[in-house]
Amino acid sequence: DAKTTQPNSMESNEEEPVHLPCNHSTISGTDYIHWYRQLPSQGPEYVIHGLTSNVNNRMASLAIAEDRKSSTLILHRATLRDAAVYYCIRKIHTGGFKTIFGAGTRLFVKA
Amino acid sequence: DTGVSQNPRHKITKRGQNVTFRCDPISEHNRLYWYRQTLGQGPEFLTYFQNEAQLEKSRLLSDRFSAERPKGSFSTLEIQRTEQGDSAMYLCASSLPPRLAGSTDTQYFGPGTRLTVL
Repeated sequence: DAKTTQPNSMESNEEEPVHLPCNHSTISGTDYIHWYRQLPSQGPEYVIHGLTSNVNNRMASLAIAEDRKSSTLILHRATLRDAAVYYCIRKIHTGGFKTIFGAGTRLFVKA
Repeated sequence: DTGVSQNPRHKITKRGQNVTFRCDPISEHNRLYWYRQTLGQGPEFLTYFQNEAQLEKSRLLSDRFSAERPKGSFSTLEIQRTEQGDSAMYLCASSLPPRLAGSTDTQYFGPGTRLTVL
């Protein structure tokens, strides 16, 4: 199954770091890991992606396990605007890039 | 605004009617995707275009669904003889051509068209 496994929901306090886990145990060597998030009533928004090495950008950090079977999205300081559904996606290279979303993790941020 | 745009944002129709949605991708993006999203679920892939060529279609895309991208720019998704089960958010996304995107494919999504079939 190409879908990843994520917790249904997580809760965080504002200004604290958040670690969102994802399991992708059937990943193959050429599959990228992408993270998107979806705020209420909006389309998904790209957050970050990686292949093997850990990655940082202005929105978040991505830590990928050495065996690539899991990864963690890190929001360094959660804000109320980070409350969203976060999707961890395995990008399967089949000529095009088939993108298979799971149900994602709904992040609640408390003030 | 240079993002992906979709029209209409909302559509209410009666069962059995035909509906058509439009997606305008980011101008330099030659890849275009359609997804369907129902409440509480992640988006489900429907179909994918590279320029005007439709390269992949999901089994979810029944005979009542058709998508076109005639000039490799905007795309339309038509649903014929709508059913109540077609009620969902229809999302469009676009991405850069491979020579610019490198070996990955970051997609930029529009706000979606919410379809309600009564």
